[in-house]
Amino acid sequence: DTEVTQTPKHLVMGMTNKKSLKCEQHMGHRAMYWYKQKAKKPPELMFVYSYEKLSINESVPSRFSPECPNSSLLNLHLHALQPEDSALYLCASSPLAGGTYEQYFGPGTRLTVT
Amino acid sequence: GESVGLHLPTLSVQEGDNSIINCAYSNSASDYFIWYKQESGKGPQFIIDIRSNMDKRQGQRVTVLLNKTVKHLSLQIAATQPGDSAVYFCAQNQAGTALIFGKGTTLSVSS
Repeated sequence: DTEVTQTPKHLVMGMTNKKSLKCEQHMGHRAMYWYKQKAKKPPELMFVYSYEKLSINESVPSRFSPECPNSSLLNLHLHALQPEDSALYLCASSPLAGGTYEQYFGPGTRLTVT
Repeated sequence: GESVGLHLPTLSVQEGDNSIINCAYSNSASDYFIWYKQESGKGPQFIIDIRSNMDKRQGQRVTVLLNKTVKHLSLQIAATQPGDSAVYFCAQNQAGTALIFGKGTTLSVSS
């Protein structure tokens, strides 16, 4: 099974809402990632988890809060977002961190902030 | 700063032609490179990768070439099909941490 799943597929939220994005993989990968992708742009790295610990935070605003409850799950908690945060949020995993392994991507969550 | 870029934002080919998508990179310390395909509404899908100790790698209908001297990466797709229409991203690893993605080339295949 080489699948990364993400829920929900689409999310519309107001600027005062709190919501969470979920990601799951069962490949035994020990590195998991959150990316943000705007239309017609490449994915931009947000966070990297290695062995369930946050190893990279690419200066992401605190209104985005990642969580890795176990080696298969990755969450992204959203609070007080801005309209410019509307984007496709992609989760990925790889056997290990370090950028020398193929990353498997999920289908993404299309987020709209109103 | 470090960057990974593509020479052309769009490429249009006829079905059956061979396609070549190019990518220039700036970080000479990178030792791992990947090509991803992203179809509309989907996440990036792995196509092929190559490590810096190689200059060529072949997959099914795809070939990746790496020229470290001029820091250039290319993806060749043989006998391009309409299903190959997508955005193609090259990516390289950065300082042993994570992948940096290039700007993307949109490939359009007409039949």
